[in-house]
Amino acid sequence: DTGVSQDPRHKITKRGQNVTFRCDPISEHNRLYWYRQTLGQGPEFLTYFQNEAQLEKSRLLSDRFSAERPKGSFSTLEIQRTEQGDSAMYLCASSLPPGTLSREQYFGPGTRLTVT
Amino acid sequence: AQKITQTQPGMFVQEKEAVTLDCTYDTSDPSYGLFWYKQPSSGEMIFLIYQGSYDQQNATEGRYSLNFQKARKSANLVISASQLGDSAMYFCAMREGGNKIIFGKGTRLHILP
Repeated sequence: DTGVSQDPRHKITKRGQNVTFRCDPISEHNRLYWYRQTLGQGPEFLTYFQNEAQLEKSRLLSDRFSAERPKGSFSTLEIQRTEQGDSAMYLCASSLPPGTLSREQYFGPGTRLTVT
Repeated sequence: AQKITQTQPGMFVQEKEAVTLDCTYDTSDPSYGLFWYKQPSSGEMIFLIYQGSYDQQNATEGRYSLNFQKARKSANLVISASQLGDSAMYFCAMREGGNKIIFGKGTRLHILP
């Protein structure tokens, strides 16, 4: 297994366009998380899934943002009508459920979004 | 109120010296976990070390150790014998009860040759 992967790695889009990012977690991990990281800040939690169920959403996740994990494997994060304030690194992470030996979340390389 | 506080925005350390990165946290949940992640300029978040709130001993992973002082709500990262490759952003983070992780603002560590 090669770890968490994200696609694309970089995305430049014009304001008002829609964008979609994909995350493929580590195969045996049933939890998947999305975070956003702006320059000079730590990652901020957006949402997470256990299998296909979206269990928590941050207030940061406005109604322009939607995330799905239809089959409990890969996940997509869509941003509609992008704004310049959406420019950030979008990080995906996955983990085993609590109670297992592995407690950490494994992060992907991120998708850097630039809205012009 | 900030849940995770990292008071050192930047640090410069001579190669081979030990370095301590400060982290304090705030929670009323008796069950929580504390993490340190490293983020090099490439952008990936690399897990370094974990400390559970009920763990009796300080966590260690190779050159990394976590100085856990529960009463002071402190979880400092100690890197022994620093190397040039240790230059990166370091984030302290906490998981309370549930599963999301809350990150601090980070400390940028520069190792000088």
